Amino acid sequence: NAGVTQTPKFRVLKTGQSMTLLCAQDMNHEYMYWYRQDPGMGLRLIHYSVGEGTTAKGEVPDGYNVSRLKKQNFLLGLESAAPSQTSVYFCASIGPAYTGELFFGEGSRLTVL
Amino acid sequence: SQQGEEDPQALSIQEGENATMNCSYKTSINNLQWYRQNSGRGLVHLILIRSNEREKHSGRLRVTLDTSKKSSSLLITASRAADTASYFCALGGGGGSNYKLTFGKGTLLTVNP
Repeated sequence: NAGVTQTPKFRVLKTGQSMTLLCAQDMNHEYMYWYRQDPGMGLRLIHYSVGEGTTAKGEVPDGYNVSRLKKQNFLLGLESAAPSQTSVYFCASIGPAYTGELFFGEGSRLTVL
Repeated sequence: SQQGEEDPQALSIQEGENATMNCSYKTSINNLQWYRQNSGRGLVHLILIRSNEREKHSGRLRVTLDTSKKSSSLLITASRAADTASYFCALGGGGGSNYKLTFGKGTLLTVNP
């Protein structure tokens, strides 16, 4: 099993460009999450989903949109990238028993110039 | 939403020594988890302790939880150079946030050979 896979792993954007990060999990997990990690800030929750077709806002949702059209995929979109969105983005998922562990992808490093 | 606060922010020890890091929080939780992150990688789950538990062990890891003091500690015994990583506490549930896991800023542990 691949677990949680994020694509792309690296991307450089210019201010105002758009892009989509893809997260795919093969563990049949219900819940999926997008976090961003910045130096000295820890991980902050952007958006999450508790099941196919559902999404909800986290701590820092502004400037991002998400979709969960298929259970195994969770997409994070930036409609008009800004330098403040330069960060490392992590996707994570968890199974039906929520009190279990989060499984993380390896991260996507995004730079906005 | 609340997040845990790890202490210290950085810790440097010699191989073979024990490493202790702490996490404090402010509101009620359902569980508290510890994760490790090696440089440039995703987070890996170490251990979960529920709010009705006081201590858990996993190999060289020992976690305690004191809900009256709203604090947890992670002890790594007989540390190895391979334990060098950032360690994060994550708060699960509580306050109606059953589906969200919030992370602290982490403790950077360096184990010198």
